[in-house]
Amino acid sequence: NAGVTQTPKFQVLKTGQSMTLQCAQDMNHEYMSWYRQDPGMGLRLIHYSVGAGITDQGEVPNGYNVSRSTTEDFPLRLLSAAPSQTSVYFCASSSPSGGHTGELFFGEGSRLTVL
Amino acid sequence: GNSVTQMEGPVTLSEEAFLTINCTYTATGYPSLFWYVQYPGEGLQLLLKATKADDKGSNKGFEATYRKETTSFHLEKGSVQVSDSAVYFCALSGSGTASKLTFGTGTRLQVTL
Repeated sequence: NAGVTQTPKFQVLKTGQSMTLQCAQDMNHEYMSWYRQDPGMGLRLIHYSVGAGITDQGEVPNGYNVSRSTTEDFPLRLLSAAPSQTSVYFCASSSPSGGHTGELFFGEGSRLTVL
Repeated sequence: GNSVTQMEGPVTLSEEAFLTINCTYTATGYPSLFWYVQYPGEGLQLLLKATKADDKGSNKGFEATYRKETTSFHLEKGSVQVSDSAVYFCALSGSGTASKLTFGTGTRLQVTL
């Protein structure tokens, strides 16, 4: 019962490097989203997708790109990493059942450090 | 815009003590309200939810009631256990935004023997 799978779990980058955080879900959920978790700030929405081919910006999208070519996958790309992007990143998925009552299912997180 | 305010932690309790974690919100319309729990080294998981005013969500001995008149959704448990030690997040989703939650800053609970 995989649910939402994120890779890698840990990553250290140098300023200016690029990387992709992978996210896959096997629950056939339409909605997927990326959050970052920082101390004292809770979780903040970066980007989200309501279906394959459709993405939109969340609260803190700058410095990140996403695409949604399949229902299962929703990678998050950092084109030029900055120390301010040091954080724990969570991918989540949900099904739009009952309108706005869908439960989010989270991955285990990816801890990124940018030096 | 939507916002969620939680009491700051950490909250330290002895086993079998009563727990209350306060949560208030600001939102337009009729949001759904959630409590998520994050155990050490894990992602968040849904603890309970309420979708309309006066609804009570409950799970694993935890309860929270959706109070529209006070815009609150306080989490309570009558007798905490060491295994309840975790970070608790209050969250809301606005109408038609099932994929987007607004989270509070989280409250760390530490339960000791």
